[in-house]
Amino acid sequence: RKEVEQDPGPFNVPEGATVAFNCTYSNSASQSFFWYRQDCRKEPKLLMSVYSSGNEDGRFTAQLNRASQYISLLIRDSKLSDSATYLCVVTIGGATNKLIFGTGTLLAVQP
Amino acid sequence: DVKVTQSSRYLVKRTGEKVFLECVQDMDHENMFWYRQDPGLGLRLIYFSYDVKMKEKGDIPEGYSVSREKKERFSLILESASTNQTSMYLCASSRWTGATYEQYFGPGTRLTVT
Repeated sequence: RKEVEQDPGPFNVPEGATVAFNCTYSNSASQSFFWYRQDCRKEPKLLMSVYSSGNEDGRFTAQLNRASQYISLLIRDSKLSDSATYLCVVTIGGATNKLIFGTGTLLAVQP
Repeated sequence: DVKVTQSSRYLVKRTGEKVFLECVQDMDHENMFWYRQDPGLGLRLIYFSYDVKMKEKGDIPEGYSVSREKKERFSLILESASTNQTSMYLCASSRWTGATYEQYFGPGTRLTVT
C-alpha cells in the first residue's frame, strides 16, 4: 500500500465549478499535511498547509480527518488558471521535516 | 520570498560521466533536500541535509552522493551516470513556521543520460 494515495484523475470540470480532491495516508503518526500545486514541467509550489481544524484561503479549503486518515482540498469557482496537478503531502511519522508525496491529481478546468 | 535556484534547467550527459547538480538557497535555511520525480512514481527523496557537512540518506540514495560545504549550497553528484538516472531533479529547502516545516523547491533540472 502506498503511504500517500491520490486519485490521479484527470478531473475535467467547467469554469466556475466546485471540485474536491481526497487523499489518504497510511501512517497514523503523520503530523503535518500540505497541498502543493505543480504546473506542467514546473516545480511543486506550496498551496497550503492543512491544519486539524481545517483552513481556508480564498477559494481553497483544506480539511483533515485524522480518524479516517485523509485530507481533502476543495476548490470553489474554478478558474482556467487552476489547471494543474495537486500533490498531497504528509510528514513521515514524527519527523516533521521529511515529506512523503502523493503522485498527484490532475485538474483540467475547461472554458 | 524564498528563492531556491538550480544550476541548470536541462542537462544531457553520457553514460558513465560524473554529473554535478548544484542548488543554492538565499534564505539561510538549515535543511535542504534532493528529490527526483518520475511519471507515476511522484517525488522520491534521494538525500537531505540538516546542516553544513551533515547528510542523511533518503529513500533512493543508490548511485548518488551529496556535498554541503556551505549552508546555502547543496550539491548532488552522480558518480557514474546511468540511463536509469534520467529524470527531473528537484532541490528544496525548508523553513520552520513555528508550527511545521514548509519546503520550497527550485525550478528543477531535467537530466537526460544517453
